[in-house]
Amino acid sequence: DQQVKQNSPSLSVQEGRISILNCDYTNSMFDYFLWYKKYPAEGPTFLISISSIKDKNEDGRFTVFLNKSAKHLSLHIVPSQPGDSAVYFCAASGNSWGKLQFGAGTQVVVTP
Amino acid sequence: NAGVTQTPKFRVLKTGQSMTLLCAQDMNHEYMYWYRQDPGMGLRLIHYSVGEGTTAKGEVPDGYNVSRLKKQNFLLGLESAAPSQTSVYFCASSYSWGMGNQPQHFGDGTRLSIL
Repeated sequence: DQQVKQNSPSLSVQEGRISILNCDYTNSMFDYFLWYKKYPAEGPTFLISISSIKDKNEDGRFTVFLNKSAKHLSLHIVPSQPGDSAVYFCAASGNSWGKLQFGAGTQVVVTP
Repeated sequence: NAGVTQTPKFRVLKTGQSMTLLCAQDMNHEYMYWYRQDPGMGLRLIHYSVGEGTTAKGEVPDGYNVSRLKKQNFLLGLESAAPSQTSVYFCASSYSWGMGNQPQHFGDGTRLSIL
C-alpha cells in the first residue's frame, strides 16, 4: 500500500518554462517531505525539503509547496533547463520513526 | 570525495546462488540503509542500521540479511537468490534519519539480475 504517490510517471516541458511535479500522500502522520533527483546510472541526490510547519520552501530555481489539508505537495522548477532532465522522487517521513517512504518517481524531460 | 560506494555495480546470478553486496561510506554517518528500486514502485527500504552492530527490518526484508560490523560498512546478503530479487539496489547513509539539513546520501546502485 503506497503511502506516497506520484501519479504522473512522466512530464515533458520546454526549456525556460515551468515544470510542476505533484505528489500526494495518505498518512496524516507524515510531517517532513523531501524531493530527490536521479540521473541514469546514478543514485538519488537530495534536492529540497519542507517541514509540515511550513507551506513553502524555496532554493534557487526550485520551490516546494505543501498543502497539508489536501495531503499534497508540489515541486516547481523555474525556469527549466536541459540539465533538469531526470527522475524526481518525492519522499515523506514522520519524526517519530524517521524512515522515508518514496513515491514511484516522475521522469522529467526538458526539450530545447 | 567518495561518499557512498557500492560494490559491485552489476551482477548476474542464477536462482539459488548467494552473494553479498557491499556498501562503504566515508562520512562517519551513524545511519545506513539498503533500498531496492523496481519499475513503478519507487525505492523501498529493505533493512537499515542506526549504528555499528545494530540492524533492523524495513518494508521488504524477506530473503535478505544484513550486517554492520564496522561503522563505515553495511553488507546486504542474499542467501538463496530468487528471480523476484532482480532489482536495482541502493545503499544510503545519514547522520540521523536523513531530514533537515542532513539528508540521506545514496550510492550509485547495484544492478542485480537473477536468472
